[in-house]
Amino acid sequence: SQQGEEDPQALSIQEGENATMNCSYKTSINNLQWYRQNSGRGLVHLILIRSNEREKHSGRLRVTLDTSKKSSSLLITASRADTASYFCATGLSGNTPLVFGKGTRLSVIA
Amino acid sequence: GAGVSQSPSNKVTEKGKDVELRCDPISGHTALYWYRQSLGQGLEFLIYFQGNSAPDKSGLPSDRFSAERTGGSVSTLTIQRTQQEDSAVYLCASSLGTGGRGAQHFGDGTRLSIL
Repeated sequence: SQQGEEDPQALSIQEGENATMNCSYKTSINNLQWYRQNSGRGLVHLILIRSNEREKHSGRLRVTLDTSKKSSSLLITASRADTASYFCATGLSGNTPLVFGKGTRLSVIA
Repeated sequence: GAGVSQSPSNKVTEKGKDVELRCDPISGHTALYWYRQSLGQGLEFLIYFQGNSAPDKSGLPSDRFSAERTGGSVSTLTIQRTQQEDSAVYLCASSLGTGGRGAQHFGDGTRLSIL
């Protein structure tokens, strides 16, 4: 099964509202990353949080990490042009590549 | 260029033909990755190049798939005797090493359609 799994699979909100997405994973990690993908485009790196960090901010983004629960959340505040798919990816120890989840599809309705 | 460049952006071919997909990573990035993404799905890891080390080919779905990275820069993904189930978007990414767990920079992908 997937190392990282996002929840919910799809989310629809009104413009100006906050959006929260969650990611759960199974094994110990070095870091966890969130990416955004607009339709027909590649993924764009949003934020990286290390295993010894609990919270990180970047603009309207807030990421939390709870290693005891093996989970992370991505909060987007005051949503506007944020319609996209959002993926979490776990960075493991050793020389192994990131493992991506299946993503959350966010729709922001004007 | 400033970002990861992939070509072609779209490829339509007949079942049984061979295809080559190209990726130009960001200059100086030692790590390069190939992924496959089916419609509305997540990313399926295919192969990972890290510097001069032997590539991690653990994600290649069959021996019809192969990839090369020449001179530590440009990479080509080759699919031989294409099948309809190979239809997908093939994404390439690069990063500044760090054992595969650093932030990755993606190209916009090649959309492959097998008729």
